[in-house]
Amino acid sequence: EPEVTQTPSHQVTQMGQEVILRCVPISNHLYFYWYRQILGQKVEFLVSFYNNEISEKSEIFDDQFSVERPDGSNFTLKIRSTKLEDSAMYFCASSTDRGAYEQYFGPGTRLTVT
Amino acid sequence: AQSVTQPDIHITVSEGASLELRCNYSYGATPYLFWYVQSPGQGLQLLLKYFSGDTLVQGIKGFEAEFKRSQSSFNLRKPSVHWSDAAEYFCAVGVRTSYGKLTFGQGTILTVHP
Repeated sequence: EPEVTQTPSHQVTQMGQEVILRCVPISNHLYFYWYRQILGQKVEFLVSFYNNEISEKSEIFDDQFSVERPDGSNFTLKIRSTKLEDSAMYFCASSTDRGAYEQYFGPGTRLTVT
Repeated sequence: AQSVTQPDIHITVSEGASLELRCNYSYGATPYLFWYVQSPGQGLQLLLKYFSGDTLVQGIKGFEAEFKRSQSSFNLRKPSVHWSDAAEYFCAVGVRTSYGKLTFGQGTILTVHP
């Protein structure tokens, strides 16, 4: 069964460093998403992406964040200058259609900022 | 803005017992409603969804959920719980006019006693 994959599973970085989290969505999906979950808190929407453009973003997704689909398979989330409060589990998701909302999630990348 | 409340942070049941996990949402119109399950180290797996029509929806792994508009609820049920159902369960709401953003509840951790 096709699945969303994410790498790395765990990333440790120092405050102020740039990190790139990688995702490979399901191959025939067209809509891509990033969510995050700070330990003990809700899963929060960050951004949705379609046709090489951001469709919607939350207040969390400020100028420190960017997303890109650099090729036909990868979807990345970049954090330019990490802060301690960026420590969280980051989930990538994909779907065939925004209307269907049937989003398939990856296993997540745990980001630890020290 | 929409919101989701899962009143029970942690529920413990015995194997074979019935289960009901509560979910209440706040939104001005009929939303899309979802239940996801997350096992340790895994991503979020979609259990079931409600878009429209029959208010009782069936999902995978023997789960069902009932949409009650008058109560703004979408409770998840299973008649007989198996030890493998131990996981964290998330209710989520999607808005028809958005680009796929899901708003999640806090999650309910299910423990199953043998």
